[in-house]
Amino acid sequence: SYELTQPPSVSVSPGQTASIPCSGDKLGDKHACWYQQKPGQSPVLVIYQDIKRPSGIPERISGSNSGNTATLTISGTQPMDEADYYCQAWDITTWVFGGGTRLTVL
Amino acid sequence: QVTLKESGPVLVKPTETLTLTCTVSGFSLSNARLGVTWIRQPPGKALEWLAHIFSNDEKSSTTSLKSRISISKDTSKSQVVLIMTNMDPADTATYYCARIAGRGGAKAFDLWGQGTMVTVSS
Repeated sequence: SYELTQPPSVSVSPGQTASIPCSGDKLGDKHACWYQQKPGQSPVLVIYQDIKRPSGIPERISGSNSGNTATLTISGTQPMDEADYYCQAWDITTWVFGGGTRLTVL
Repeated sequence: QVTLKESGPVLVKPTETLTLTCTVSGFSLSNARLGVTWIRQPPGKALEWLAHIFSNDEKSSTTSLKSRISISKDTSKSQVVLIMTNMDPADTATYYCARIAGRGGAKAFDLWGQGTMVTVSS
């Protein structure tokens, strides 16, 4: 079965750039999505089709996908960005989520 | 305004069958561009996709639970129902429904319900 791998945690200082990788076999051949989940809340879609942002998502959140790795990048990280982030992709007949990455803004 | 709302029992006993309902508003389950999916999240753990259904009744479910899961929809009631049999304490989780939007392999879960916590215990 297809798997997506994320680091359990990433730390960043306020105002700096955070990068969260998501790796999977030939992930660049698929479309990756990213979801943000804050404590006690439902997930929110922040990136779809590798690089697109839904309405209301700030421009400082961006995505890329090439080779075996999709990356979520948050520029000028703010305390409000502290959350769990999940990558996701569609594989044949199955949706697959990564294990999630906790972003800590120190 | 588009909303999805999950409903169902808070507590089920081991071996019982769980029935969860997702009631949607602001869009139609007959919309060919949209679908509805179920995802769960055990306490402190990652998201796990369970099943989806589209307007043409195309369905799919996760391989690991395929024998225990069924999904259906009632378009007239704007409801999608997930049934999971032979519940186990390991199935304790928050269960979410979400809307699927997009085309082909570029679909995404663009809107989520608030989730409903289900505990499996005797």
